[in-house]
Amino acid sequence: EIVLTQSPGTLSLSPGERATLSCRASQSVASSYLAWYQQKPGQAPRLLIYGASDRANGIPDRFSGSGSGTDFTLTISRLEPEDFAVYYCQRYGSSLTFGGGTKVEIK
Amino acid sequence: QVQLQESGPGLVKPSETLSLTCAVSGSSISSGYYWGWIRQPPGKGLEWIGSIFHSGRTYYYPSLKSRASISVDTPKNQISLKLSSVTAADTAVYYCARHGGKYSSSLYAFDIWGQGTMVTVSS
Repeated sequence: EIVLTQSPGTLSLSPGERATLSCRASQSVASSYLAWYQQKPGQAPRLLIYGASDRANGIPDRFSGSGSGTDFTLTISRLEPEDFAVYYCQRYGSSLTFGGGTKVEIK
Repeated sequence: QVQLQESGPGLVKPSETLSLTCAVSGSSISSGYYWGWIRQPPGKGLEWIGSIFHSGRTYYYPSLKSRASISVDTPKNQISLKLSSVTAADTAVYYCARHGGKYSSSLYAFDIWGQGTMVTVSS
């Protein structure tokens, strides 16, 4: 089973700053089957990125994903107030696992 | 617009079976997608439980496979989850969601989610 480790656990930033979130897999993720989700308190997760770098429908272009193999990154180019949330990476394919999450909080 | 709505008892006793349904509207459950269940214990991260295709083909998270059962009811356009022998560790918000990737042979990312339903396991 592939284990996903997200870092840092918490990222304290100010609006307008750049956020860089990491997701590292214990084994290579086939076909870049790696997704990113955003979750706000009391809400269901929302798909941001799939295929490591493809934005889901309606996702602003300040969100971008990159990486392959075992190392993946979610970048938020300029944080908007509504971007402060918890972010999860997920490996999908023949099985699914989620990372433990990174909380992006207001500094 | 595709919408998913989870429903079921909010309180289940230890050792009993948790039963939830997910009603799909705005799309046929036989439209070529996989449908899945995910849970989230209070204050913790997400855990995939399992997924099903309208044909009945299922995939399960290995650690829950012995206790989880997912089924599809095509006429009612819904899927169901049963989780047996529950303990307090099964207390969580349970979500149903649609996998993207129509007619895919693999499980894609979840592109549409229900709002979730809280289930507490307690006597």
